[in-house]
Amino acid sequence: EAQVTQNPRYLITVTGKKLTVTCSQNMNHEYMSWYRQDPGLGLRQIYYSMNVEATDKGDVPEGYKVSRKEKRNFPLILESPSPNQTSLYFCASSPSRGTQSSYEQYFGPGTRLTVT
Amino acid sequence: AQSVTQLDSQVPVFEEAPVELRCNYSSSVSVYLFWYVQYPNQGLQLLLKYLSGSTLVKSINGFEAEFNKSQTSFHLRKPSVHISDTAEYFCAVSLNAGKSTFGDGTTLTVKP
Repeated sequence: EAQVTQNPRYLITVTGKKLTVTCSQNMNHEYMSWYRQDPGLGLRQIYYSMNVEATDKGDVPEGYKVSRKEKRNFPLILESPSPNQTSLYFCASSPSRGTQSSYEQYFGPGTRLTVT
Repeated sequence: AQSVTQLDSQVPVFEEAPVELRCNYSSSVSVYLFWYVQYPNQGLQLLLKYLSGSTLVKSINGFEAEFNKSQTSFHLRKPSVHISDTAEYFCAVSLNAGKSTFGDGTTLTVKP
């Protein structure tokens, strides 16, 4: 089944304790993105990646890191989490142009992170 | 820079009534336009998209949206809604498959 998976789905942590949220897709998509969703603010893009070893900042990159060493994986790293990073996080992947589903984003199920 | 404004944060309607969810965007270059839907406790899924060609695009479940370049709008419509359409709807713009901007969302509540 074509899908985007995220782990963990739920995470409660404390301020300053480094954490990684994993994201993996099995559709051979070139593009991948991370978003955070907060009530009343919609989805805000954190980082995106155009392909392996190619990443760029979205609208709210502060406090986050990403890497794209393999095409299928795009982990989100919070090196020193703070309470204002408490949010619902979504990973998404997308094929580039040339296919019927060009530019459509396929979303993972979300990771609910609480930082105390 | 690009931005998206969804003009209504909440839209309550009765079952079988028509509905319009409004979306305006701003961009200095041509963009691709999307509507995504999020059902409770789920991720987002694509509802419909405009890349080029016909300005009226339709989904398989009766929604349609029209790209209006002069008004920079991409409003979503359905002539008759069902209880199952209750969800949050997001309008989005993308320069390519990478940089994307979403609106704040519109909560559609369909009442019996």
